[in-house]
Amino acid sequence: KNQVEQSPQSLIILEGKNCTLQCNYTVSPFSNLRWYKQDTGRGPVSLTIMTFSENTKSNGRYTATLDADTKQSSLHITASQLSDSASYICVVSGAAGNKLTFGGGTRVLVKP
Amino acid sequence: DTAVSQTPKYLVTQMGNDKSIKCEQNLGHDTMYWYKQDSKKFLKIMFSYNNKELIINETVPNRFSPKSPDKAHLNLHINSLELGDSAVYFCASSQEMGLAGASSYEQYFGPGTRLTVT
Repeated sequence: KNQVEQSPQSLIILEGKNCTLQCNYTVSPFSNLRWYKQDTGRGPVSLTIMTFSENTKSNGRYTATLDADTKQSSLHITASQLSDSASYICVVSGAAGNKLTFGGGTRVLVKP
Repeated sequence: DTAVSQTPKYLVTQMGNDKSIKCEQNLGHDTMYWYKQDSKKFLKIMFSYNNKELIINETVPNRFSPKSPDKAHLNLHINSLELGDSAVYFCASSQEMGLAGASSYEQYFGPGTRLTVT
């Protein structure tokens, strides 16, 4: 069964600090992995999309890594800002016939 | 300009009623989707259309019927609403859909419609 598990479920960090979110998946065969940011009351917004051959991809202060061998990904937030408070969702797309599988998200709260 | 828009943003209705949620995208995308996000925040795909043609139909009750009058619109009609239908429904679009439902293209989500069935 295709699954995407994220950890931690939630975390609180102080403004200016860094944090790393984890995503483990069992989707096979694998096509790509995405990280989305979802602000409260809004739709998810794409941060990064990585295919099998990509190990890392950055979008501003967000850096995603992918290890397709161990089926793990991480999202690193550098120098967090209050606006980073949101849910971060890991989504894995399987190849040829498999749909997007969503993780449950990590809720990040950045405090001043 | 809003890329993917949904109406209404909030919908409160009683069990047994029939309601519709509308979605429009002005991105020129070929593929549109409906997702349901439950109280635990898991997003699950319900339907996807590519050029007005149904591509993905997950295990969704027959009470849910998507309609795509053109590739810029994908509406969701729900008959005989039940308490368990309460959720946030998101519309999304992407440039193109790959083989058999898989897509490598970024999906753009609408703001969501919070449906509450009482």
